Formats: sequence, C-alpha cells, structure tokens
Amino acid sequence: SYELTQPPSVSVSPGQTASITCSGDKLGDKYACWYQQKSGQSPVLVIYQDIKRPSGIPERFSGSNSGNTATLTISGTQAMDEADYYCQAWDSSTVVFGGGTKLTVL
Amino acid sequence: QVQLQESGPGLVKPSETLSLICTVSGGSVSSGSYYWNWIRQPPGKGLEWIGYIYYSGSTNYNPSLKSRVSISVDTSKNQFSLKLRSVTAADTAVYYCVRNLLDCSGGSCYPRKFDYWGQGTLVTVSS
Repeated sequence: SYELTQPPSVSVSPGQTASITCSGDKLGDKYACWYQQKSGQSPVLVIYQDIKRPSGIPERFSGSNSGNTATLTISGTQAMDEADYYCQAWDSSTVVFGGGTKLTVL
Repeated sequence: QVQLQESGPGLVKPSETLSLICTVSGGSVSSGSYYWNWIRQPPGKGLEWIGYIYYSGSTNYNPSLKSRVSISVDTSKNQFSLKLRSVTAADTAVYYCVRNLLDCSGGSCYPRKFDYWGQGTLVTVSS
C-alpha cells in the first residue's frame, strides 16, 4: 500500500521559515494537499493541488511537489501557526495521509 | 455556508456495530460535485481515511477496513451514514464526516480537496 512519510516534529523561531516535508514514491506525479490541525479542533485545508491556497489562508503558507517529496513552507511563522500538519494524496482511488508533523514555534 | 454535523452514540460495546450519521446543511449530498467521506483519528494519533460515497451510491473504502465498513446515503434527509461492524478498542477515535470537492472540468471527475469538515464526534469502544 502507498505510504506518505513526514517528520514527527519541526521547530521554528517566530518570524523564521518552517519547512515540513512529505515523502512518497513518485509523489510528484500526484496532487498533494496539506491540512492544519490545532489542538482540539478539526483539520483545516491550507494547501491543495500542490500549490493552491484556499481563500482565507494567509499568503505565508505555500507548497511545492516534485519527485518524491512535497513540501509545506510557512514564511514568517507566527505563534498561531503552531499545530499538527498532515499531508494527503490519492492513490488508486484511495486516500492516504502522512503521519503528521507537530510544528512548534519557540 | 456548508456545515456537516456528526451524530450517534458516544459509547459502543466491543463486537457490536458503530453507527454514525452526518447531516449536511448548506449543500446537497445529491450533487455530483462531491465525495462524502468518513475520516477518523484515534486519541493522540493521526488521521485515517475510512471511505467515501458518491451521490449515485457508489462507494470506496480503505482496504484495511473494507470487510467491516459500509457507507450509505439518504438524499431525502441530506445525510450520509457510517456503519463499522465488530468493533474493538482499536476503533476508539474521533470520527469526522468530510466533503471532498471533485474537479469535473475535463469530462472525468477527480477528487481535489477535503474542503469542509464536521466538528468530529468521539466514539469510545468499551464494555
């Protein structure tokens, strides 16, 4: 079965750039999405189709996807961005999520 | 504004069937533009996709759960439902109902994004 691998945790200082990776076999041939989940809340879509931002998502969130790796980049990270982030892709008509990355802003 | 709301028992006994309903407002489960999904999250763990249903009634399930899962739709009530049979403690989780928007611009339809999520409901499996 298809797997997506994320680092369990990433730390960043306020105002700096955070990068969260998601690895999977030929992931660049698929579309990747990213979801933000704050403690006790439902996930929120922050990036879809690799690079697109839904309305209401700040411009500091951006995405890329090439080869075997998709990356979520948060520029000028703010304290409010501290959350769990999940990548997601479709494989053979089934949904696959990465294991999630806890982003700590300190 | 689209809203999804899960409902159902918060406690289920081992070996019994977990049943949940998702009521959709601000949108229609009869639309051909969406897949209607169930996704779960065990306490302290990551997201796991359970499956989806299309307005036509066609379904697709996570292979790891396929033998125990069924998802159905009731267009008259604008609801879709989840049944998970023979539950164990490992099925304890927050269960979300979620809409997935399809891109049908090219003639065929492809899933693009989980754009609306319910608030989630915790189901505990315990005797």
